[in-house]
Amino acid sequence: DAKTTQPTSMDCAEGRAANLPCNHSTISGNEYVYWYRQIHSQGPQYIIHGLKNNETNEMASLIITEDRKSSTLILPHATLRDTAVYYCIAPSDSWGKLQFGAGTQVVVTP
Amino acid sequence: EPEVTQTPSHQVTQMGQEVILRCVPISNHLYFYWYRQILGQKVEFLVSFYNNEISEKSEIFDDQFSVERPDGSNFTLKIRSTKLEDSAMYFCASRKSGTSNEQYFGPGTRLTVT
Repeated sequence: DAKTTQPTSMDCAEGRAANLPCNHSTISGNEYVYWYRQIHSQGPQYIIHGLKNNETNEMASLIITEDRKSSTLILPHATLRDTAVYYCIAPSDSWGKLQFGAGTQVVVTP
Repeated sequence: EPEVTQTPSHQVTQMGQEVILRCVPISNHLYFYWYRQILGQKVEFLVSFYNNEISEKSEIFDDQFSVERPDGSNFTLKIRSTKLEDSAMYFCASRKSGTSNEQYFGPGTRLTVT
């Protein structure tokens, strides 16, 4: 897997956009970037993934830089329920093993 | 919306006992996984399972661990002789195809070994 680097924590005000950065400078050309999150003690939850184009779904948007060395997950209108640890993962394993790092602890405050 | 289910939600067992953790993956999914998370630590991969056999396992997944898909719906993790250090949350996950790594996780089983 490509090594990913994320900030340890960040705060966000409820209703505002949360922008979560991830560096993955060693990512190879065919490795996707995946984002998962884990709300306290629950199972991780898939959010979104992308290769080189920006992606959007009902949960979030993913912006990947042109050189693919970094990406940003955007939660457009953060709610208290978005408080979680967010993981950026670039798996290269053909069987799908996910290697979770420490992630970014996001706290959404009222 | 289909979801992965796990039973029991909490299992307490004595050291040396065997435990079986059960999972029902999403019905049309083909790849199955077990992960664990010791309290306060990262989520760790244990094993992946495809086409009725283990496709990959981690160093944690030693001879004390085994997995099985006994029928078309259940996926189980067995720990033969539990140790104190096996106390953790165990998550089952499944994914549909080999082209996307969208994995769907269950709510977990909290295993406490005393």
